[in-house]
Amino acid sequence: EDKVVQSPLSLVVHEGDTVTLNCSYEVTNFRSLLWYKQEKKAPTFLFMLTSSGIEKKSGRLSSILDKKELFSILNITATQTGDSAIYLCAAGSNYKLTFGKGTLLTVNP
Amino acid sequence: ETGVTQSPTHLIKTRGQQVTLRCSSQSGHNTVSWYQQALGQGPQFIFQYYREEENGRGNFPPRFSGLQFPNYSSELNVNALELDDSALYLCASSLGLLAGTDTQYFGPGTRLTVL
Repeated sequence: EDKVVQSPLSLVVHEGDTVTLNCSYEVTNFRSLLWYKQEKKAPTFLFMLTSSGIEKKSGRLSSILDKKELFSILNITATQTGDSAIYLCAAGSNYKLTFGKGTLLTVNP
Repeated sequence: ETGVTQSPTHLIKTRGQQVTLRCSSQSGHNTVSWYQQALGQGPQFIFQYYREEENGRGNFPPRFSGLQFPNYSSELNVNALELDDSALYLCASSLGLLAGTDTQYFGPGTRLTVL
């Protein structure tokens, strides 16, 4: 059975801190690893990673994939209160995304 | 804004009833996928439709069914509602049918409560 595990499940930090969110996966017909941010309802797309070792960056967010060890990390530097959300990791196979439970990030001022 | 819309926003039903949830995909997106997100969980894949045909299905019983129409709208139907069906139902649209290579863009969801 396909499985995605995220850690930690929740995290509380202060503004300005750097955080690292972890995601491991075991998925048949793996094609990509995706990160989404979910604030209220709709998960919003952050990154899609298909190649090992190539970092993707968007502002203060960055992510990397290790296909040998079957994991990915999402880094957020200089966190802001607006980064407070649930961060979802998903493994993409042929026709579906398999999601982890998410990491609830709370950034306090 | 992803361009994906869903209706209604909230819905309350009683056990045994039937419900229809609606989704409007981004124009040009041939694929729609439906997910169920229970409280405190990640979204779980229900099924995917590509050009009006079911293309893949997750571990959900047949009382969960769907339709996709040529105008980029789609429906999720759930019969014989059970208490455990209470969840946020998300639809996601994408250009192609490979979830692993075509980014899925999510709508805001429908919150279904079954009493």
